[in-house]
Formats: sequence, C-alpha cells, structure tokens
Amino acid sequence: DAGVIQSPRHEVTEMGQEVTLRCKPISGHDYLFWYRQTMMRGLELLIYFNNNVPIDDSGMPEDRFSAKMPNASFSTLKIQPSEPRDSAVYFCASRAQGVSGNTIYFGEGSWLTVV
Amino acid sequence: EDQVTQSPEALRLQEGESSSLNCSYTVSGLRGLFWYRQDPGKGPEFLFTLYSAGEEKEKERLKATLTKKESFLHITAPKPEDSATYLCARGIREKLTFGTGTRLTIIP
Repeated sequence: DAGVIQSPRHEVTEMGQEVTLRCKPISGHDYLFWYRQTMMRGLELLIYFNNNVPIDDSGMPEDRFSAKMPNASFSTLKIQPSEPRDSAVYFCASRAQGVSGNTIYFGEGSWLTVV
Repeated sequence: EDQVTQSPEALRLQEGESSSLNCSYTVSGLRGLFWYRQDPGKGPEFLFTLYSAGEEKEKERLKATLTKKESFLHITAPKPEDSATYLCARGIREKLTFGTGTRLTIIP
C-alpha cells in the first residue's frame, strides 16, 4: 500500500494568499484526520471525517480554515487568507473502521511557511 | 481536562545504555494508549497500542508497558538508529490526543 499521500510537501506563500493542502488516504480507510504540528503546541487535531462526513471540527482554529472530503480518496485543507502564525507542518492521517483500536497512519506532512 | 504528559523532553544516551521514557495521562474512557516514532521531516510512525493495565508489547529493542495512569517505553541497548522523537497518545472515541514527545539521541 502506498500509505497516506500528501501534497505539496513544502509550500512557501505570502501572507494573505490562499493555501490548499491535499491528501489521499489509504485505500479502504473510513476515517481521515487533519493534524497540525508546531514546536510550541505539538500535534493538534484540527478536524476529522468519517465516510467523507465531517464529524468534529472543534480543533479548527478560525474561520480562515476549512476542510472538505468530496470522496473517499481525496481531502483538502484550505487556509484563506493565510497568516504567518499558520506556519506549521500539516499532517493528514487515516484509519480503517472496525479495526480494533484507533491505530492511525500518517502521511509525510505538508510543510507550510507563510511570510 | 484530559492530558498526556511525556518526560523527559529530551534524553541523550550512549549507545548500549538502556533507559525508559514516561507517558502519564489523566483520562476517562481510555481507548488505547499509543506510541509513535517520528524522524525529522517525517510523519509519525506507529509502534504500539496498549489497552489494559499490565499489558506489554515488544519490538526489537523497544518494550512498551501500561499501568492505570502511565505508560513506559523501555529501550534496551539502543543504537544510533533509534534516535528519534517518541510520541505517546491516548485514544478516546475516534481521536488521538498526543503528548509533546521525548527527543531521544543515541550517541555512538
């Protein structure tokens, strides 16, 4: 299996620009998660989906952040407008429903720098 | 508030020097205690899941144990390639909440 695939791996953008991060979960996985990692706060859950439906978006920091999952094999996390404090590594992760426990598999991350 | 606390923040060991990393949690309705390894520039890589106090799991030089309030990741005779950040997380419902990690450095 190819694992969770994220793009872009690295993005540098100017403040105020729109940023779109993309994710392809592991085939057959029913849950998809977006996490953000910073030195100060570690790994934080932003939002997760089950069967393409957003279940919990309480971790989304502001209305500038939005996430969609139009089908089982694709999700986007959008930041509009971006700000320097959004600079972080954004991870997408997925897991299968019905598998015992909550083992979540992560992608390699999208490194975002907003200048 | 549910919390996951890891200690120490950083640990430097000589190659072959065994030690333990700690993960303590305050939570009800725990659905698993998870250990991940994260290398620089990479996503977290799953290592272990523990569900019950007294449970132990091993993989190569790593052994994870679980009590009612904490988990330990024991590393025996570590090698330089074991250098990484080790993250623990507790599962509740469908989510994982992570600690801030222990950055482990093994010196040849």
